Amino acid sequence: GAVVSQHPSWVICKSGTSVKIECRSLDFQATTMFWYRQFPKQSLMLMATSNEGSKATYEQGVEKDKFLINHASLTLSTLTVTSAHPEDSSFYICSACQKDQPQHFGDGTRLSIL
Amino acid sequence: QKEVEQDPGPLSVPEGAIVSLNCTYSNSAFQYFMWYRQYSRKGPELLMYTYSSGNKEDGRFTAQVDKSSKYISLFIRDSQPSDSATYLCAMSAMNTGFQKLVFGTGTRLLVSP
Repeated sequence: GAVVSQHPSWVICKSGTSVKIECRSLDFQATTMFWYRQFPKQSLMLMATSNEGSKATYEQGVEKDKFLINHASLTLSTLTVTSAHPEDSSFYICSACQKDQPQHFGDGTRLSIL
Repeated sequence: QKEVEQDPGPLSVPEGAIVSLNCTYSNSAFQYFMWYRQYSRKGPELLMYTYSSGNKEDGRFTAQVDKSSKYISLFIRDSQPSDSATYLCAMSAMNTGFQKLVFGTGTRLLVSP
């Protein structure tokens, strides 16, 4: 149980394009979903927290207009990296949880901006 | 000083060894303690979680929390090459539940056949 699916697993695109990453909770309804960024050999950095039907809460230093988060249903959240540049290249990971339950993570999306 | 300290390793052990992975923390408000396993280029996988102090066992894995020392451990018995991964500890306070996790940097474990 508690499976979180993330798609795509790897994307390469040109600088200036926008990239959308999907995160789905497959076998449970997620009250909250989270987006993290992970640099090589470093731990996870929380970018934002989102609850279904409400605006995401962004961590300090994360650009809201650069990283658009939509949480349209209890099983789906999307992260759109707008006008991506090489410095946005990273490993992006989503997680989801039910009320009073630990977070379960997707398998991540490796984003490479050329 | 980081809120959560974790030795990055790598920790190299032979197959069958007992592995001890540890984290220390400074925030006495932490009440929820989790261990995640992360394989290369994959997302973290929840192994175990505990609330407050005490031990919890699940198969070959045992998690221990010592709140008086602000120290948590994960023991792996009969380690296997498939256990080779990075192990992340994570913790959170009562008022945030599982929402605001503070992660250690992860310990890389290598189990050789």
